[in-house]
Amino acid sequence: KAGVTQTPRYLIKTRGQQVTLSCSPISGHRSVSWYQQTPGQGLQFLFEYFSETQRNKGNFPGRFSGRQFSNSRSEMNVSTLELGDSALYLCASSRERTGNTIYFGEGSWLTVV
Amino acid sequence: AQTVTQSQPEMSVQEAETVTLSCTYDTSESDYYLFWYKQPPSRQMILVIRQEAYKQQNATENRFSVNFQKAAKSFSLKISDSQLGDAAMYFCAHNTAAGNKLTFGGGTRVLVKP
Repeated sequence: KAGVTQTPRYLIKTRGQQVTLSCSPISGHRSVSWYQQTPGQGLQFLFEYFSETQRNKGNFPGRFSGRQFSNSRSEMNVSTLELGDSALYLCASSRERTGNTIYFGEGSWLTVV
Repeated sequence: AQTVTQSQPEMSVQEAETVTLSCTYDTSESDYYLFWYKQPPSRQMILVIRQEAYKQQNATENRFSVNFQKAAKSFSLKISDSQLGDAAMYFCAHNTAAGNKLTFGGGTRVLVKP
């Protein structure tokens, strides 16, 4: 059974550009959530999608957005990139019920220069 | 809002010995879930153990066990018979009952000495 797959794994962007990260959840998982990990702020929740609807949202500016498709795949987008957006972005998936085990992908490393 | 605190930035343990990692949390919910995740240098988050708040029995997974004290809002992880492969960052996390939204602690780095 394939795990959570994130693409791309590594990318470098310039300030002011935008970026889109992709996440394919484990087959049968309908909940997809996104996290940002930085040395200074640690692991922070961005948002969660369930059945194509945003179910939870963290405290990030509107430049951070996401969506989920009918096949449960998810994308997150960051517009007008800032140096501080450099981070490891982790995607996680879970079955419908809250409290089920949450499985993580290997992450997408974003460097903003 | 939930908060999770891990007071030990780093812990060192001798191979085959036992180490306990501390975690406290704050929540107004009565129903929630707690997790310990391991993050090795590869940065892949690996689930170590999961605890449902409504269950009084402490979760156990092979060499890993927790001491869940709901009233004290404490959720410590004990690693027994430590192995070199246990060296990693360990994160304690709380999940709300209203969807999958993990709140993480700051992490504890575990060093295993041969």
